[in-house]
Amino acid sequence: QVQLVQSGPVVKKPGSSVRVSCKASGGTFNSFSISWVRQAPGQGLEWIGGIIPFFGTSNSAQSYQGRATFTADESTTTAYMELTSLKSEDTALYFCASHFTQPFDAWGQGTMVTVSS
Amino acid sequence: DIVMTQTPLSLSVIPGQAASISCKSSQSLLYSDGKTYLYWYLQKPGQSPQLLIYEVSNRFSGVPDRFSGSGSGTDFTLKISRVEAEDVGVYFCMQNAQLPTFGQGTKVEIK
Repeated sequence: QVQLVQSGPVVKKPGSSVRVSCKASGGTFNSFSISWVRQAPGQGLEWIGGIIPFFGTSNSAQSYQGRATFTADESTTTAYMELTSLKSEDTALYFCASHFTQPFDAWGQGTMVTVSS
Repeated sequence: DIVMTQTPLSLSVIPGQAASISCKSSQSLLYSDGKTYLYWYLQKPGQSPQLLIYEVSNRFSGVPDRFSGSGSGTDFTLKISRVEAEDVGVYFCMQNAQLPTFGQGTKVEIK
């Protein structure tokens, strides 16, 4: 079973960027994809986008196109999400989730990103 | 985008009783390969979501058999045959027939 461990909480200023990491273990890194899902305080789940490390291909929800970038480092089995031009509305808990056998079959613990001046 | 609509948004259940959650999609989730890409997740308080049901009716590894999923096309249901205290949390449906979208979530609590 895949295990995912994310980087710690961060506070960012409006207009800046954030990079969140997600280290995978327990599976062959090239055999699954990694997605990113966010949850605003007290709200539901929203898919941001994801990457297939084996191919290096990624896609994202339309509302994040041009603002979210997904990368993966096979040597460290770590996936990354960078979100630019941060706004207060981007304050949320950001999860990575794998697609090993099924979509989002394993989740990271979440990374709290707070955007505040 | 496919819009997922769950009802009810909250549910209070007596332990041992059954519970049912509905999820409707704005478009059919039947894909050209014959599979229907509808999933159910549970987010327990203070935890990350976990996969319960995949492709409408298949329980994921380790999921108790009191959880069952059914439906087709645009209408789907998650049933818990006998609710236990550990089942509290928020249940989300999700479609993956197109780019993933989630329902708003149904909060289940114990009476």
